[in-house]
Amino acid sequence: EVQLVESGGGLVQPGGSLKLSCAASAFIYSDSAIHWVRQASGKGLEWVGRVRNKANSYSTAYAASLKGRFTIFRDDSKNTAYLQMNSLKSEDTAVYYCTRSPYFSPGMFDPWGQGTLVTVSS
Amino acid sequence: QSALTQPASVSGSPGQSITISCTGTTNDVGGYKYVSWYQHNPGKAPKLLIYEVNNRPSGVSDRFSGSKSGNTASLTISGLQAEDEADYYCTSYTSTSTVVFGGGTKLTVL
Repeated sequence: EVQLVESGGGLVQPGGSLKLSCAASAFIYSDSAIHWVRQASGKGLEWVGRVRNKANSYSTAYAASLKGRFTIFRDDSKNTAYLQMNSLKSEDTAVYYCTRSPYFSPGMFDPWGQGTLVTVSS
Repeated sequence: QSALTQPASVSGSPGQSITISCTGTTNDVGGYKYVSWYQHNPGKAPKLLIYEVNNRPSGVSDRFSGSKSGNTASLTISGLQAEDEADYYCTSYTSTSTVVFGGGTKLTVL
């Protein structure tokens, strides 16, 4: 089955760091860019960023609003992508989803993980 | 990159058709064919409905269709059903190699 599974969410204090993981089935991983999308409670979906595959030099891009606090990278030996979040703020509290797009169609997000909740609070 | 503009809510009766608009700029919706639409139910993962403006993935009902004119994309749902009640989001690839979401539209089936 083609799937993505997030892990690593939890409670973190303001100013702290957290690393989320997204494990992908091998069938889709190598040809895909992996994206992170979040949804704060009562708000809409927000694109966080993406990392492309090896053939595209693992290039990354991020939402401008994050101002360099987040980093996305991948470990191909584990079919896993990561979202490193630093200097966390209360407004980063959200459900974080990982998803993928094929190299030929950016923004075609399918499938999605089930999401992992990040709560930033003292 | 500002969010794409969608109406906050739309409604329709079973059997009717509704259209949700998604307005951007020449730097996103108007400049690329990479416009997608997603259905999102609370507590679940979003579901891809339409990609590249008007293409349906296998398994998605043909009651869902997409189009684009200039800087505005549209999602039409025909033969509205109670199960269609959900939040709907558009996305577009952008000139800075990022992706931007619309603000989301809540569909109510009356």
